[in-house]
Amino acid sequence: KAGVTQTPRYLIKTRGQQVTLSCSPISGHRSVSWYQQTPGQGLQFLFEYFSETQRNKGNFPGRFSGRQFSNSRSEMNVSTLELGDSALYLCASSLAQNYNSPLHFGNGTRLTVT
Amino acid sequence: EDQVTQSPEALRLQEGESSSLNCSYTVSGLRGLFWYRQDPGKGPEFLFTLYSAGEEKEKERLKATLTKKESFLHITAPKPEDSATYLCAVGNNDMRFGAGTRLTVKP
Repeated sequence: KAGVTQTPRYLIKTRGQQVTLSCSPISGHRSVSWYQQTPGQGLQFLFEYFSETQRNKGNFPGRFSGRQFSNSRSEMNVSTLELGDSALYLCASSLAQNYNSPLHFGNGTRLTVT
Repeated sequence: EDQVTQSPEALRLQEGESSSLNCSYTVSGLRGLFWYRQDPGKGPEFLFTLYSAGEEKEKERLKATLTKKESFLHITAPKPEDSATYLCAVGNNDMRFGAGTRLTVKP
């Protein structure tokens, strides 16, 4: 069974640009979550989607947005990039939507903003 | 507010030297406590789920236990390949992660 796939693995962008990251969940998983990981802040929750609806959102500015498609694939977008957005962005999928099932993570997209 | 605290931040062990990692939590209603292992440059890898106090799970040299306020990840006779960052997370109204414990096992 294929795991969670994130593309691209690495991205280098310039301040002010925008970026779109992609995530394909494990087959059959309808819940997709996004996290930002930095050395100083650890894993910070961005948002969660279930059946194309955003179910939960973390404490991030509106520059961070996401969406989920009917096949459960998800994208997240960051507009007007800032230097502080440099991080590892992790996508995770889950079978259930009640936070009683484990998350299964992809290997992330490493975003560097210069 | 739900909180998850892991200790120690970093732990260095000699191969074969057993130890425990701690994850303490305050949540209004625990739906599950999860342990993950993360290697550098990779996403966290799921290890265990615990649901109720007194529950234990084992996998090779790892054993996870749960009380009403904390969970322990016991590592018995660790090997260098056990070196990684270990994360715990609690599920309630969201999935909240601790900052992790960075484990280094020297041969």
